[in-house]
Amino acid sequence: QVTLRESGPALVKSTETLTLTCTFSGFALDTSGMCVSWVRQPPGKALEWLALIDWEDDKYYSTTLKTRLTISKDSSKDQVILTMTNMDPVDTATYYCARTTVAHFYAMDVWGQGTTVTVSS
Amino acid sequence: SYVLTQPPSVSAAPGKTARITCGGDKVGTKSVHWYQQKAGQAPVLIIFYTSDRPSGIPERFSGSKSGNTATLTISRVEAGDEADYYCQVWDGTSDQALFGGGTQMTVL
Repeated sequence: QVTLRESGPALVKSTETLTLTCTFSGFALDTSGMCVSWVRQPPGKALEWLALIDWEDDKYYSTTLKTRLTISKDSSKDQVILTMTNMDPVDTATYYCARTTVAHFYAMDVWGQGTTVTVSS
Repeated sequence: SYVLTQPPSVSAAPGKTARITCGGDKVGTKSVHWYQQKAGQAPVLIIFYTSDRPSGIPERFSGSKSGNTATLTISRVEAGDEADYYCQVWDGTSDQALFGGGTQMTVL
């Protein structure tokens, strides 16, 4: 059974750096075609893709946020980490990680339950 | 990059058919994925590769594409189908995933 779980601070202050961890099980990120994405959703708004890391450790970022994002993986712990610098109240959102597969044309087939982050000014 | 356009809302009575569209300049050349998100829950993949269903997704959910518009069709609508629906593609030109703005489906 594939599961993902997001963890991180529920509250950060403006200008701080956010670090989120996605801990997964049931698949190996070093298997060809496997990836993990981060997606966020501000309250009442649409989903927004943030970043993806693949089995070869290649990294891809949202064009609008790439200067603030860093995605990495720790295969020994089955974790993917996302950092976002210079946080602002507009970054208040639920942040999700999701398994993403190249075989399915980058569909996100299993999602974590999400972690809510509030940015205070 | 480009924008995926969805109607903000659709509605259908129980037992009827609902259709949600997703339009964009290059939808015609992309695989389109659809997600269902019920209130307070994480999204769930319901259609991938434009028209395929993951295991466990009812046959009432189907996907199609014509030109630059992809369509999610929900047949025999049920009360439990009330949710937000999102389309998504991978843009290989800019190497990023893109989501539509979402459609809120109401069951009348």
